Parts: sequence; C-alpha cells; structure tokens
Amino acid sequence: DAKTTQPPSMDCAEGRAANLPCNHSTISGNEYVYWYRQIHSQGPQYIIHGLKNNETNEMASLIITEDRKSSTLILPHATLRDTAVYYCIARGETDSWGKLQFGAGTQVVVTP
Amino acid sequence: NAGVMQNPRHLVRRRGQEARLRCSPMKGHSHVYWYRQLPEEGLKFMVYLQKENIIDESGMPKERFSAEFPKEGPSILRIQQVVRGDSAAYFCASSPSGSYGYTFGSGTRLTVV
Repeated sequence: DAKTTQPPSMDCAEGRAANLPCNHSTISGNEYVYWYRQIHSQGPQYIIHGLKNNETNEMASLIITEDRKSSTLILPHATLRDTAVYYCIARGETDSWGKLQFGAGTQVVVTP
Repeated sequence: NAGVMQNPRHLVRRRGQEARLRCSPMKGHSHVYWYRQLPEEGLKFMVYLQKENIIDESGMPKERFSAEFPKEGPSILRIQQVVRGDSAAYFCASSPSGSYGYTFGSGTRLTVV
C-alpha cells in the first residue's frame, strides 16, 4: 500500500468547510483512497473512498487530483462533533488483503 | 441491525493474568480484524481472521497473544500473562469480504495493574 502524508493538525471554525489534504504520490493504479475518522476514544468510522473520480456522500466529499497523487476530504459544514483524527489510507482491493494501515492522521479541531 | 459488538468495554487485569476480549461481527460479516491502539499512538493492525482460519497474523506479537474466530460464536483475542505494556485499546472490525466494507466496534480498554 502506498504511503500517505497528512498535516498533523488543523483547526476549523464551526459552520465553515474543512478541507483536509492528503498526499499519496506513490499511489498505484489499483489503489483506492479511503478516509476514516476516530472521535476520541471511539472506534474508527468510515467516511468515504474513491479511485479516481470525485465522490460525495452524506458525510463528505472526496476530491482526487487527475494524477491521483493527492486528494482532499471536504467536510462542507463542520460541526463541533466533527472534531476527530482523520486518516487517509491508500489501499489496493487485492493487495494487503484485509488490513488497513493507519498513519498518524490529522487532528481536526472544530471551534465555535 | 446491530453493529460490531465488543465486550467488555473496560477490562482490568493484574500482571500475569489472562485477558479475553470478545468481538461479535455484524450480521453477514465473516471477516474479522483486530487492531491495537497504545496510549497516544495510532492504530496498529494485529490479525485478520475468516471463519475458523487465520488469514494474516503479521501484526501479532510472537508471544502470549492468540486469536480465534470459531464457526459458532464471537472472535476471541486472548492475551496470556499480561504485562503493563499490554494496556491499550483493542478494536475489532468486521467486513462482508476481505476487500472493503470495514465496520469497527467501540473497542475494549485493557488496563493492566
């Protein structure tokens, strides 16, 4: 699985959009980009994943650059409940069968 | 449709005792994964099991740790002769296949005193 790089922390004002960057310059063609988050002391929660097209669901949007070397997770209207550590993971559907490799993630703090 | 159930939520053991952590996957999920999160650290993969089989145990410590997922009943992570360094949050996840669809449980917090 390709290595991902995320900023260690970022702050966001409540009600504003939060844009979380992730670099994955060594990503291969069959590797998806997954985003999870972990709210303090809870189990990780799936947010979204994509291969090369932009994706949107009820939680967030995922924008993947055309060369797939980076992506951005967008929380459109951040709330205090979105304060969490956000993990970007590059993972092939057939490689590393089963396991997810979590890095350090980005600690997002949403402030009133 | 209950999620991934882990019990107990909190477990306290004295050094040298055994710890048994249980994980009931979501209905229809036959793949189970265990992760450990040491205090102030990230999640580390431990083991991946499918019914009655260990698929990948590359993250399991060589000594004292074992895992099983029997045909009937929950998956069990067993830690024998616990030491203070085993104190951590242990998370279980399940999926319907090995490729995606992970759902995590709320974890078991093990404290070794």
